[in-house]
Amino acid sequence: KQEVTQIPAALSVPEGENLVLNCSFTDSAIYNLQWFRQDPGKGLTSLLLIQSSQREQTSGRLNASLDKSSGRSTLYIAASQPGDSATYLCAVRPASGNTPLVFGKGTRLSVIA
Amino acid sequence: DGGITQSPKYLFRKEGQNVTLSCEQNLNHDAMYWYRQDPGQGLRLIYYSQIVNDFQKGDIAEGYSVSREKKESFPLTVTSAQKNPTAFYLCASRGEDRVNIQYFGAGTRLSVL
Repeated sequence: KQEVTQIPAALSVPEGENLVLNCSFTDSAIYNLQWFRQDPGKGLTSLLLIQSSQREQTSGRLNASLDKSSGRSTLYIAASQPGDSATYLCAVRPASGNTPLVFGKGTRLSVIA
Repeated sequence: DGGITQSPKYLFRKEGQNVTLSCEQNLNHDAMYWYRQDPGQGLRLIYYSQIVNDFQKGDIAEGYSVSREKKESFPLTVTSAQKNPTAFYLCASRGEDRVNIQYFGAGTRLSVL
C-alpha cells in the first residue's frame, strides 16, 4: 500500500531564507505527484504537478523536483516571505487504474518577519 | 468562474440528526471526492465517485452516505451513526485530461451541538 511521508511536520524560518520541504513515497509506480498549499480553515490550493516522466516543475519562486526511483520529491521555496506561511501537502497518484490520490500529512511552515 | 462550491461553510448537528453537505463543480470533471480533516491527522478519504451513478467507499466510510445523480453534484450525508462527526470536510474533483490536477472546495466545518 502506498504511503506518503512529509518531514518535518513543522518548520520555522526567518524571512528571506531559501527552504526545502521533503516528501517521500513508498511505491515508485505513480502517474504524478502534486504539491498543495493549505491556509488555516481553507481548502487546498494546487501549487505544482509533476508527471512521472518529468524531473521538475517551476512556478515563480517555487520549484518542485521528483526522483521517482528513490521515491522522493522536494519543494524548494526561494526568498521566503511571511505570506508563504501555510501547510504544504504532497500527494501521489498511484499508477494502478483510476485511484484516489494518497496524501502526506503536510509540513506546517512559519516564515517569521 | 470555474471551481468547486461547498455549502454551507459552517454546519451544526444535533444528536440523532442527519445532515447533508453540498458539493457542486462546474469543471466538467468525472471524478469527485470527499475528505475529512482532523487536527494532526491529515486528509482521510470518505467516499469517491468516478462517474455518475457510481461511487466507492474510502478509508472511513462508516457513518456517511453519498449519491451521484448528476455529474456536477456529489452531496455527503453525515448520518446519526457517525458518533464523532466534528471535523473539517473537503470536497475535490479531478479531470481525466493529461494534466490531471485535483481541485478542492473551500470546505465545510461541522460541529456537534
